Amino acid sequence: DTAVSQTPKYLVTQMGNDKSIKCEQNLGHDTMYWYKQDSKKFLKIMFSYNNKELIINETVPNRFSPKSPDKAHLNLHINSLELGDSAVYFCASSLRGGAAHEQYFGPGTRLTVT
Amino acid sequence: DQQVKQNSPSLSVQEGRISILNCDYTNSMFDYFLWYKKYPAEGPTFLISISSIKDKNEDGRFTVFLNKSAKHLSLHIVPSQPGDSAVYFCAVEGGTSYGKLTFGQGTILTVHP
Repeated sequence: DTAVSQTPKYLVTQMGNDKSIKCEQNLGHDTMYWYKQDSKKFLKIMFSYNNKELIINETVPNRFSPKSPDKAHLNLHINSLELGDSAVYFCASSLRGGAAHEQYFGPGTRLTVT
Repeated sequence: DQQVKQNSPSLSVQEGRISILNCDYTNSMFDYFLWYKKYPAEGPTFLISISSIKDKNEDGRFTVFLNKSAKHLSLHIVPSQPGDSAVYFCAVEGGTSYGKLTFGQGTILTVHP
């Protein structure tokens, strides 16, 4: 009974391709996030949506486009993939925005760009 | 610019002893502090948190201490158990970054039986 799920778990692709990562939460949460964990292991927020509305948009190349069809889903589409996009991407959700509300993370998607 | 630093990449302790994980931050405007735990091939899970109006919060074997003047946060686990072996991340929120968690780079804790 997975709370936050991501697909796929692993993604290997070539430079220049376009790919998507899907995220779904069944917790009834209003807020969803995308994080990137780079090779130095830092977890950095990329985007945050609250009830399908973008509320946090960090300095991320515009090749990355989040899409929230409803508040239970937040997908990440990446255009023209580059070597530096290789990382683990985590989706998360919380009841509402703000650190006082615990964030629940998905298992991560390991993206490898060759 | 690393606003949150965990200067020890790894820590090894014996079962039953105390584990102390440390975290330093740079911005005095941060007002909410959290610890997350991560097992391999899983996402981080929330462990414990503290707001800036407190200096200690305890939950079972886990205690978080906050020293605002030193901009220092620590997590104490006592007694440590082998199942505590994981990567521990501290995270902060506040100031101009409301709603955004900034994470440290993590400390790998290994608890030996």
